[in-house]
Amino acid sequence: DAGVIQSPRHEVTEMGQEVTLRCKPISGHDYLFWYRQTMMRGLELLIYFNNNVPIDDSGMPEDRFSAKMPNASFSTLKIQPSEPRDSAVYFCASSASYRGDTEAFFGQGTRLTVV
Amino acid sequence: GNSVTQMEGPVTLSEEAFLTINCTYTATGYPSLFWYVQYPGEGLQLLLKATKADDKGSNKGFEATYRKETTSFHLEKGSVQVSDSAVYFCALRPNSGNTPLVFGKGTRLSVIA
Repeated sequence: DAGVIQSPRHEVTEMGQEVTLRCKPISGHDYLFWYRQTMMRGLELLIYFNNNVPIDDSGMPEDRFSAKMPNASFSTLKIQPSEPRDSAVYFCASSASYRGDTEAFFGQGTRLTVV
Repeated sequence: GNSVTQMEGPVTLSEEAFLTINCTYTATGYPSLFWYVQYPGEGLQLLLKATKADDKGSNKGFEATYRKETTSFHLEKGSVQVSDSAVYFCALRPNSGNTPLVFGKGTRLSVIA
């Protein structure tokens, strides 16, 4: 398996523009997580899905952020409009739901810079 | 609630030095514990894990023992290499349900030759 695939790897955009980050989880995994990593706040969970259904989006910072999972093999995180403080590395991860000890597999991340 | 506290970095060591990165946790019930590693420019990778008290996880010369009495999961390596330079994250996942990992803030390790 190719692992969790995220695109793009790098994104530079101007303030006010819409940004869409994409994620393909590992086949067969039924949990998908979106995290944001910054120097100041570390790794923050934004939202997670189970069987394509959003379970907890309490980590989404503002209404400007939205996430969807239209099917088991694809998810998007959208920021509209983007702001400079959204600059961060965004990670997608997936896992199977069998037991609580199941590890999460991470993608390589999307480095977002909003200027 | 559930939380993980790990020692602040950065940690700088000479090659072949002994490494300890402290991690303590707060959790309801008996969580599974993990150490993840993030090499520069990459995502997080699982380094090792332990699922119950007194279990020892090990991988690539790293070890950590699940200590329930001290609620700790300290990471150790007897002799670090330059290639171990990375950010290390301690994490837990409650066994009470299918919930996400809870991460510590990460500890940056730099190993110099």
